[in-house]
Amino acid sequence: DTGVSQDPRHKITKRGQNVTFRCDPISEHNRLYWYRQTLGQGPEFLTYFQNEAQLEKSRLLSDRFSAERPKGSFSTLEIQRTEQGDSAMYLCASSRTQGLQETQYFGPGTRLLVL
Amino acid sequence: RKEVEQDPGPFNVPEGATVAFNCTYSNSASQSFFWYRQDCRKEPKLLMSVYSSGNEDGRFTAQLNRASQYISLLIRDSKLSDSATYLCVVNSSYGGATNKLIFGTGTLLAVQP
Repeated sequence: DTGVSQDPRHKITKRGQNVTFRCDPISEHNRLYWYRQTLGQGPEFLTYFQNEAQLEKSRLLSDRFSAERPKGSFSTLEIQRTEQGDSAMYLCASSRTQGLQETQYFGPGTRLLVL
Repeated sequence: RKEVEQDPGPFNVPEGATVAFNCTYSNSASQSFFWYRQDCRKEPKLLMSVYSSGNEDGRFTAQLNRASQYISLLIRDSKLSDSATYLCVVNSSYGGATNKLIFGTGTLLAVQP
């Protein structure tokens, strides 16, 4: 196991509802990433934290999406007013600053289905 | 054009075969490269980093050609347990702070008994 945990592992919701996912990174890792993966595609970058600071957000992250990492440990990703197009696997990864060859370790993902 | 492109496959090979996957990337400023493996409905896991000089890990050999912006992965003596999707990955930091990863769509490998 990589040590990154995510909760819940699966979420089914109705269109228009809000959902929140949690990621607990490996304890000594200061960097945390969120990615989204749809069927038949590779993961796509959503956002990145170094400690508690959110340093980059993808254009994929619409205003309905918000992410936090309040104490530089766990992170939450909230989707407001979910749409069917939000159905995907949401992956969290963590790493320790090591320059360009740093390894990102992925959690098991949260699989979201919006009906 | 996608930033990282790879043949989606599937590659169906018999046990013991040698199989090669190729990948191209569009940004010449990319500085680090990886192959990740993803099993069905699981998270991606790092298989190996790819270095300019080429590198080998057991039955796996990765090569990088910066001039052609081309990355390859060779699997020798393939096993049933090698069946998975292989993701070509490029670090897009370009010297900046974020080491976000850019993934290809993945190549599906099915090793047959």
